[in-house]
Amino acid sequence: QVQLVQSGAEVKKPGASVKVSCKASGYTFTGYYMHWVRQAPGQGLEWMGRINPNSGGTNYVQRFQDRVTMTRDTSISTAYMELSRLTSDDTAVYYCAREAYYGDYVVEDYWGQGTLVTVSS
Amino acid sequence: DIQMTQSPSSLSASVGDRVTITCRASQSISRYLNWYQQKPGKAPKVLIYAASRLQSGVPSRFSGSGSGTDFTLTISSLQPEDFATYLCQQTYSTPWTFGQGTRVEIK
Repeated sequence: QVQLVQSGAEVKKPGASVKVSCKASGYTFTGYYMHWVRQAPGQGLEWMGRINPNSGGTNYVQRFQDRVTMTRDTSISTAYMELSRLTSDDTAVYYCAREAYYGDYVVEDYWGQGTLVTVSS
Repeated sequence: DIQMTQSPSSLSASVGDRVTITCRASQSISRYLNWYQQKPGKAPKVLIYAASRLQSGVPSRFSGSGSGTDFTLTISSLQPEDFATYLCQQTYSTPWTFGQGTRVEIK
């Protein structure tokens, strides 16, 4: 069965960086894009971007463009999302989610359990 | 970016009620609209894709309709396990964007 297992909660100081991992199993890792979505406390979902695990190509939301780096290690079927220059506004649960196509239509069909990142001095 | 606006932001309903949630896009998105259910402390779960297609394994009491800018999610007979937050998402163009959510609470 498809599973996405994320790394544990992190506490970071303002200005620091955080790197969250997402280990995939139960499917061919390189066959599906991986998305990253975050949710601030009590807020809605915010799509941050995606990575093609096969090529390593990325698409980032413009407002994160200069702070986010998405990478992957195909040897261990793991995707990573690193966010730098953290502020308190980056306090959120970060999710990885697999992209799946049904004809012309795309969904995020499997999600990780989420990783809470808290930014506090 | 395409803005997605849901209404209402919350509603109270009883088991067995018919519930309707709407989602409006700031521009036409054809049928590139997904609906997700999210329970507290859990990741979202896809219910509907392409505006009206039921994701495998999702109960048939969930249905979706609409195209262009206006969309609806309907739960025909609310069950206890359906009390959750529902979110729409457009995948017409990146960045993909979500509505702010509709919280369905027990009356």
